[in-house]
Formats: sequence, C-alpha cells, structure tokens
Amino acid sequence: DAKTTQPNSMESNEEEPVHLPCNHSTISGTDYIHWYRQLPSQGPEYVIHGLTSNVNNRMASLAIAEDRKSSTLILHRATLRDAAVYYCILRDRDDKIIFGKGTRLHILP
Amino acid sequence: DGGITQSPKYLFRKEGQNVTLSCEQNLNHDAMYWYRQDPGQGLRLIYYSQIVNDFQKGDIAEGYSVSREKKESFPLTVTSAQKNPTAFYLCASSSGQVPYEQYFGPGTRLTVT
Repeated sequence: DAKTTQPNSMESNEEEPVHLPCNHSTISGTDYIHWYRQLPSQGPEYVIHGLTSNVNNRMASLAIAEDRKSSTLILHRATLRDAAVYYCILRDRDDKIIFGKGTRLHILP
Repeated sequence: DGGITQSPKYLFRKEGQNVTLSCEQNLNHDAMYWYRQDPGQGLRLIYYSQIVNDFQKGDIAEGYSVSREKKESFPLTVTSAQKNPTAFYLCASSSGQVPYEQYFGPGTRLTVT
C-alpha cells in the first residue's frame, strides 16, 4: 500500500468547520482514498471514501486534489463528539491495510 | 442489526496462560482481520483471512494463532510465547469488493500480569 502523511494533531473550535489534510504523493491510479476515525476506547469507524471526485455523505465531505496526491476531510460543523483520531488510508485491494498514527483532533468548547 | 461482535470487552490473564479472543460477524463478509493497538499508537495487523480455511500472517504474527473454520468467526489465540500481550485488540471484516472498506468491532482490552 502507498503511504500517507498526516499532521499528528489539530485543534478546532466547536461549531466551526475542520479541514484535515492528507498527503499521498505516491498514490496509484487504482487506489481508493479512505478515511476512518477512532473515538477513545472504541474500534475505528469508516467515515468516507473517494477515488477521483469530491464526495459528500452525512458524516463529512472529502475533497480530492486534481492530481490525487493529496486529499482533505472536511467536517462542516465540528462538535465535541468529533474529537477522535482520524486515519487517511489508501486501498487498492482487499488485503492488509496499513494504519499510521493518524491525526488527533481536539475540539475546543 | 448487522455488525461485528467481540467478547469479552475486558480480559485479564496471568502470564504464561494462553487466551482466546472471540470475533463474530453477521455481515456475510469474506475477509476478516485482527489488529493490535498499543497506547498512543496506530493499528498493527496480526493476521487476516480472505476466505474460510485460509489465513495470512500480518506484520506482528509471532506469538499469536488464528483459525477460520466458519465464515462468520475468526478467533485469535494469544499464546504464552507473545512477549508483550497487554494491548487493545480489534477485529474487522470487509466484503472483498470495491472500495474495500473495513468494519470494526468494539475491541477487547487484554491485560496480562
């Protein structure tokens, strides 16, 4: 799997938008970009995925750069419940997955 | 409700004992995975199985064993050979189809003293 690079931590105020960046400069044409998040003492949960186009779902939006070498997870209005570790991962087949340390998001009330 | 269950949530064992962690899914997924997570760290892959009766070692398989006799079950045994077994263990499954997203269980926190 190609590697991704994320900031170790970020901070945001409650009720403001949050933009979580991810760099994946060695992405291949068949790699899907996945985002997961992990709340304290819980298993990770799938958030969103994309291939080339920007994507929206009820949890978040995913903005993918035109060259696909970077992407941004957007939480439109952060709440305290969004405080978690966010992982950006590339997948092109259904076998081993590499989770880095992700970005720890702190939400300030 | 479809999902993945892991039991128990907390498990305590004495050093030198083998212990088996349960993972069951009713999502009809072909692939299942076991990960280990240490405090402040990301997930590390122990074993994975893409089909019944077949499994592959991940990055840190030493001291662990698995079986996949049924599609819905993928138990993990932590043996006495695992030097640092205290950790948070996560089981996941995926459908095997594009885009290959994984679904995780709630985890089992194992403490060995």
